[in-house]
Amino acid sequence: QQQVKQSPQSLIVQKGGIPIINCAYENTAFDYFPWYQQFPGKGPALLIAIRPDVSEKKEGRFTISFNKSAKQFSLHIMDSQPGDSATYFCAARRSHTGKLIFGQGTTLQVKP
Amino acid sequence: KAGVTQTPRYLIKTRGQQVTLSCSPISGHRSVSWYQQTPGQGLQFLFEYFSETQRNKGNFPGRFSGRQFSNSRSEMNVSTLELGDSALYLCASSLGFRAGRATDTQYFGPGTRLTVL
Repeated sequence: QQQVKQSPQSLIVQKGGIPIINCAYENTAFDYFPWYQQFPGKGPALLIAIRPDVSEKKEGRFTISFNKSAKQFSLHIMDSQPGDSATYFCAARRSHTGKLIFGQGTTLQVKP
Repeated sequence: KAGVTQTPRYLIKTRGQQVTLSCSPISGHRSVSWYQQTPGQGLQFLFEYFSETQRNKGNFPGRFSGRQFSNSRSEMNVSTLELGDSALYLCASSLGFRAGRATDTQYFGPGTRLTVL
């Protein structure tokens, strides 16, 4: 019940494409869902986050879609660029705790 | 504002030794969480401290411990190191939770790369 399942494990797209990364969870007590981006040798950096009372959130080229009934959420990267090549992690957290449960990560490569 | 800093950045130890890693949170942040990152297990939660008190603990053996000081700086200690402890250890800080702040953002440091030989 504490797991967050992320897919795909890796993804290759052409520049300008729209990679989509999916995550699923089981614990309905989760109420905060962030996405982190990590470059080699760096710590994860927060990209965008959503709460379950919202079905979609956009920040720049990044969009989270949230389906509460299916307990799934996904990250879309619009007009992807080679600089977006990184590992992306979804995560979930219960209210008022600092414990993030991470998905296994997706390695994205954007080809020029 | 300076980000989360972790020292040292790289560490090589041998089996059986112990190690202490340090984390300085963003100024004003009172919550510090620690995570272990490995290729096989991904990012796993170790523990969380808020105002010098451990608030949450992950599923790690007692060899892993931590503490937080009055200035919010935190240390984690691993005793009797095993080969499987080789990992990137990440610290994240946040303001800390108060009523209504369930979206408190956690900011990660660059990590300490621990290699156990």
